[in-house]
This record gives sequence, C-alpha cells and structure tokens, in this order.
Amino acid sequence: SYELTQPPSVSVSPGQTARITCSGDALPKKYAYWYQQKSGQAPVLVIYEDSKRPSGIPERFSGSSSGTMATLTISGAQVEDEADYYCYSTDSSGNHRGVFGGGTKLTVL
Amino acid sequence: EVQLVESGGGLVQPGGSLRLSCAASGFTFSSYWMSWVRQAPGKGLEWVANIKQDGSEKYYVDSVKGRFTISRDNAKNSLYLQMNSLRAEDTAVYYCARVASSSSKGSYYFDYWGQGTLVTVSS
Repeated sequence: SYELTQPPSVSVSPGQTARITCSGDALPKKYAYWYQQKSGQAPVLVIYEDSKRPSGIPERFSGSSSGTMATLTISGAQVEDEADYYCYSTDSSGNHRGVFGGGTKLTVL
Repeated sequence: EVQLVESGGGLVQPGGSLRLSCAASGFTFSSYWMSWVRQAPGKGLEWVANIKQDGSEKYYVDSVKGRFTISRDNAKNSLYLQMNSLRAEDTAVYYCARVASSSSKGSYYFDYWGQGTLVTVSS
C-alpha cells in the first residue's frame, strides 16, 4: 500500500525556519497537501496543491515539492505554530485512496 | 459559513455496530464528494471512506471494507457511516470532511472538517 513518510519530530527556536519533509513515490504525479493539528482540535489545511496557501493562513507558511519529496516551510516560526503537521496525498493507482503521512510534531521553544 | 457537525459516537462492545451522522450546512451539500477520516488516540490521521455527490461511487480503506458503509441523504444535508463488526482498533475520533478536488493531477483533499465524534470499542 502507498505510504508517505515524515520525520516524527522537528524542533526550532522562535524566529527560526522550520522545515518538515514528506516523501512518497507518487508525489511526482500527485499534489501534496499539509494539515496543522493543534492539541484537541480538528486539522486545518495550511498548504494545498504543493505550494498554495488558503486564505487566512499566515505568509510564513509555504510549501514546495520536487520529485518524491514535498516540504512544508515555516519561516520565522512562532510559539503558536507548535502543533502536529500531516502531509496528505492520493494514491496514483486510480483507486481513489487518500493517504496521510505519520505526522511530525513541531516544537517551538 | 461551512459547518460539519458529527454525532453518534460512543462506547460499543467488540463485534457491535454504530452509526455516525454528520450534519452539513453553509454550502450546497449535494455538489460535493464527502469523506470520513479517523484518528486513534495519540495516533495519526487515517482516511476511511469517500462518497460521490449522488452516492454512486464509494471508496474505503482496506481495513474497513466489508464492515463499514458510507452513505448520504442529500435532502437532509447529511452524511453517514454505518460501522459493523467493530474491533478495538476502530477506536478513534471520526471526522466528517468536505472533499475539494484539484482538477489537474487528479488529486483531492479535505477543505473543511467537523470537530469529530469519539468511538470507543471496548468490553
């Protein structure tokens, strides 16, 4: 079955740049999406179609994708950005399956 | 304002059944694919099932095929998940989510989520 692989944790100091990676064999053919989930809350979309930012998402959030790797970048991370981040994509085999990465805990301290 | 409100969660014994509901408002429900996504306690997100606008296409993650059924009632703006033969590993918060499509690359994603309903499978 298709898998997306993320690092379990990333830690930065406030104001530094945080980068979270997501690798998957189908990413050259399919878009990557990124969700932020704070404790006890529903996920929130922060990046769609590799690099687009929904309205209301701060400009410090950006995304990119090259080959089998997608990257979420938080430039000048804030304490309030501390959360779990999940990449998401769809299987390229035509079976309409959605797949989430295992999640990355971002610590900002 | 788009709103998705799940209900129907609770404690059920292994082998039992439960039906989750999701009430949608703030958008034209019948125009969107809809999904269920779950999250086991302390674990990551897992896509569970999708249903097309008219209910004619449905897709499931392998672990629930043959046990769960996704359905919808467009007249009531409601999405459902009938869960049978429940197992301990089905214990999770279940989220209802609206599907958005990326026309190129044939991808889809979830642009709005409900707050979730907790299903606990335990004796």
